[in-house]
Amino acid sequence: EAQVTQNPRYLITVTGKKLTVTCSQNMNHEYMSWYRQDPGLGLRQIYYSMNVEVTDKGDVPEGYKVSRKEKRNFPLILESPSPNQTSLYFCASSFDGYEQYFGPGTRLTVT
Amino acid sequence: DAKTTQPNSMESNEEEPVHLPCNHSTISGTDYIHWYRQLPSQGPEYVIHGLTSNVNNRMASLAIAEDRKSSTLILHRATLRDAAVYYCILRLFQGAQKLVFGQGTRLTINP
Repeated sequence: EAQVTQNPRYLITVTGKKLTVTCSQNMNHEYMSWYRQDPGLGLRQIYYSMNVEVTDKGDVPEGYKVSRKEKRNFPLILESPSPNQTSLYFCASSFDGYEQYFGPGTRLTVT
Repeated sequence: DAKTTQPNSMESNEEEPVHLPCNHSTISGTDYIHWYRQLPSQGPEYVIHGLTSNVNNRMASLAIAEDRKSSTLILHRATLRDAAVYYCILRLFQGAQKLVFGQGTRLTINP
């Protein structure tokens, strides 16, 4: 089954403790993205990648890092999480940019 | 980025057609019109996209005004499973990965 998977689905952590949210797709898509969704602000793009080793900032990249060492994986790294990064995070992938497939989401709480 | 304007909410009845409007008066010639929807507790899901001509797929139809300043997503026969937030998004042809989500329209389907 074609899908985008994210882990963990739920995470509660403390300020400053580094964490990684993994994203993997099994569709051989070149394009992958990370979004965060906050009430009243909608979905905002954090980072995107157009291919292996090619990443670029989206609209809200501050406080986040990404890497794309393999085509299927696009982890999101929070080196020093803060409470304002409490949010619902979605990973997405696409073959050509027209139809993006979204993962189920990761709900992160930073206390 | 060009912006879209959608009604905050709409309501319809099961098995009736639903027309979801979107205004995008600042659209440029290379902006594609995308529609995604987000069911409760899920990631966004691609619905349809178009550039100038009307488009049909198994999920919906997209009617684009001749001047491209507005479009309408048509669900031909709504079911309870179509209750979701529907997002109308403009995407630059060159900006393959960037989707800028607005607030969307929350569609309620009455049985």
